[in-house]
Amino acid sequence: GAVVSQHPSRVICKSGTSVKIECRSLDFQATTMFWYRQFPKQSLMLMATSNEGSKATYEQGVEKDKFLINHASLTLSTLTVTSAHPEDSSFYICSAAGQGRKYFGPGTRLTVT
Amino acid sequence: DAKTTQPPSMDCAEGRAANLPCNHSTISGNEYVYWYRQIHSQGPQYIIHGLKNNETNEMASLIITEDRKSSTLILPHATLRDTAVYYCIATSVEYGNKLVFGAGTILRVKS
Repeated sequence: GAVVSQHPSRVICKSGTSVKIECRSLDFQATTMFWYRQFPKQSLMLMATSNEGSKATYEQGVEKDKFLINHASLTLSTLTVTSAHPEDSSFYICSAAGQGRKYFGPGTRLTVT
Repeated sequence: DAKTTQPPSMDCAEGRAANLPCNHSTISGNEYVYWYRQIHSQGPQYIIHGLKNNETNEMASLIITEDRKSSTLILPHATLRDTAVYYCIATSVEYGNKLVFGAGTILRVKS
């Protein structure tokens, strides 16, 4: 099956700094990628839809200026958490649409201290 | 996109079939039913999807009722590695094919 990677798998940062998470589709081109956030013992929450070459579409309640999304190529989307705070600590997961289905990355564990 | 309803948890004996139900009574004609599972601290894994007809692949079978208001995911011979949260999602091109996750069903396979 198709493979989606994320980097880094884990990151610890200090409050007030920014963190960039990369999502790559390794063996297929993805015009659309999705970003999710998951808090402990909760389900995945869709944050935004990322379209190659255009602005991302954010779900209601998600701050677009805090969670910057860039989808510069058909195989790479990035999520930047700006001015991170401890409440942004979460598991961030990306998904890439390809071959008629959605493939998920392994997730990035962000801890803000 | 149609809301789906799943039981919060189920237990299954190892080697037996696991039957996971999902209700999607408001599903529209062009919405597909997708099943994913998530093993602890990993990204969701695609299992199967269907529109009207029953589907089978190497992982599971999907049985969709004739009125499409409910479906059942069947893992024919559950193993301990099938312990996970299983999500049933209805979506269509109209909704940008977005996958919106509900609470899912925690399946515990026990030896």
